[in-house]
Amino acid sequence: GNSVTQMEGPVTLSEEAFLTINCTYTATGYPSLFWYVQYPGEGLQLLLKATKADDKGSNKGFEATYRKETTSFHLEKGSVQVSDSAVYFCARRANDMRFGAGTRLTVKP
Amino acid sequence: DTGVSQNPRHKITKRGQNVTFRCDPISEHNRLYWYRQTLGQGPEFLTYFQNEAQLEKSRLLSDRFSAERPKGSFSTLEIQRTEQGDSAMYLCASSLAEGGMGSPLHFGNGTRLTVT
Repeated sequence: GNSVTQMEGPVTLSEEAFLTINCTYTATGYPSLFWYVQYPGEGLQLLLKATKADDKGSNKGFEATYRKETTSFHLEKGSVQVSDSAVYFCARRANDMRFGAGTRLTVKP
Repeated sequence: DTGVSQNPRHKITKRGQNVTFRCDPISEHNRLYWYRQTLGQGPEFLTYFQNEAQLEKSRLLSDRFSAERPKGSFSTLEIQRTEQGDSAMYLCASSLAEGGMGSPLHFGNGTRLTVT
């Protein structure tokens, strides 16, 4: 089965709402963890990453903390904007890069 | 260098035909990956190269699929005798091997294949 499980979408929020997208992973050893974003009509772009336990990745107001004890890497943003509307993918990299199924976020004005 | 480039952007073909896609990675990247993505799913790993060597291939990948990277630069992905189930977005990505597991993958915009 897939080694990355993320919150099912779609998620719809109003502008300035708080966002959490849950992600858990399975892997042997100590993988690196990533969040990618795919805006409409565009390719996947790296949003943030963390390479070891307790690291916090951050970019564009988004944050995620590598939690080894709960094997999680939840994505958060304190105040979403309409321009954050996209599909978000959690990924883990051990020997290969595995992705979750993606969570579609729609932010309404 | 503007990133990973894939051609064509779209390909429509009839069932049973062969198709070939091309990927040009970021020039200094020595690793190149192929993924497949269907609607509502995350990218599914197909295969990857380090330089010209194909190091891993998904066990789920049909033998109708073959990939090459003859000079360690661009890569081609060929699908023989296409089937309707092959319809998907085919993504190419590249990275630096030296960054280890922390090195992110940089993706192209993909080639969308439709098999009729």
